[in-house]
Amino acid sequence: ETGVTQTPRHLVMGMTNKKSLKCEQHLGHNAMYWYKQSAKKPLELMFVYSLEERVENNSVPSRFSPECPNSSHLFLHLHTLQPEDSALYLCASSRGLGEAYEQYFGPGTRLTVT
Amino acid sequence: GQNIDQPTEMTATEGAIVQINCTYQTSGFNGLFWYQQHAGEAPTFLSYNVLDGLEEKGRFSSFLSRSKGYSYLLLKELQMKDSASYLCAVMDSNYQLIWGAGTKLIIKP
Repeated sequence: ETGVTQTPRHLVMGMTNKKSLKCEQHLGHNAMYWYKQSAKKPLELMFVYSLEERVENNSVPSRFSPECPNSSHLFLHLHTLQPEDSALYLCASSRGLGEAYEQYFGPGTRLTVT
Repeated sequence: GQNIDQPTEMTATEGAIVQINCTYQTSGFNGLFWYQQHAGEAPTFLSYNVLDGLEEKGRFSSFLSRSKGYSYLLLKELQMKDSASYLCAVMDSNYQLIWGAGTKLIIKP
């Protein structure tokens, strides 16, 4: 138990669907992250939020839309995805940015796009 | 460009010692992290090195040489539960983590 929870754990969606991934951290951290993990590839940083403000958007397609309503919650809204978007989506949090803080990860959402 | 290299897969025997290497080329350096990830689970923090040398934490140790752009994770007295992927990540000058693809460690009885 890392203090970061994600729902759902598994999601199958068609290319025309709209769905959302949810992340919640119970650690009192100020920074939250979305990562994409594909088999045998490095973790890809998608978005970074610090104190509810987006500070990083690594050229992610607009079919992925993040939302951070407060410092404990992070969402990833999905629409018109492609099969190559199938992957494990990991949420993480850290005490803050600008220091070498370790990141705490949630268990991930296994996404399959059909 | 920024690059982290580590072996894709390693196999070791229960009770033995294994060393997982990581080499890196990054824009700046603010430390190197090792994470463990069991299949289907979250990555969990193992160690952090920012100065050269060896950091020991129980059965696990991590070594760093900044001049060589090199680190290793040493696991002693291997147990079956150590079967997992081990991720090396470097924090660059912008305090962003650059990740390796991970090393899958298989422990055999």
